[in-house]
Amino acid sequence: IQMTQSPSSVSASVGDRVTINCRASQAISNWLAWYQKKPGKAPKLLMYSASNLQSGVPSRFSGSGSGTEFTLIISSLQPEDFATYFCQQASNFPLTFGGGTKVEIK
Amino acid sequence: EVQLVESGGGLVQPGGSLRLSCVASGFTFSSYSMNWVRQAPGKGLEWVSYIQYGTGTIYYADSVKGRFTISRDNAKNSLYLQMNSLRAEDTAVYYCARDYYGSGSFGDYWGQGTLVTVS
Repeated sequence: IQMTQSPSSVSASVGDRVTINCRASQAISNWLAWYQKKPGKAPKLLMYSASNLQSGVPSRFSGSGSGTEFTLIISSLQPEDFATYFCQQASNFPLTFGGGTKVEIK
Repeated sequence: EVQLVESGGGLVQPGGSLRLSCVASGFTFSSYSMNWVRQAPGKGLEWVSYIQYGTGTIYYADSVKGRFTISRDNAKNSLYLQMNSLRAEDTAVYYCARDYYGSGSFGDYWGQGTLVTVS
């Protein structure tokens, strides 16, 4: 299953609302996760099963979608949110990731 | 506190071998499935392999099938990745990740990674 993220990068300011999209090449129900990745750090699970917020993750992060279309929203971008975000499907092996969306400072 | 600590990375020549280890603590390792995921320099995340906690069912990415072997030792709370016939394209930071649902799902805890350089 191929995962396609858009945009590949976005420039935003602190306080902005940021939307990241992920499309699966076939239906995956809600078997989708979102991760945040910073250079030199391990990936961090943000959302699982498309819309469930992982424990300890701020509520400004939200996820939605089912089937083939999914969205991650950061409602009010904070300085610590500048990072690369990846979606990942877990419907079938091989598990596959999207290409990533880099959120940069405007 | 859940912790995963990888080791075993390093510089190896093409065609060579390395064995990565991941030591787990803070949870009942034998009750969790585990994954290896890698990130090549400047690239995205790539799932490598999975091993189930109970049946020992194993899956590999096509890019490593036949060259890499995943295993675990529950008595030592350890996950391994034996990497043979290494290629330049295997150069990456390798992470072990605990599987959230156990059936091949999401990584809820990750190690800090170990760098493998094939050159």
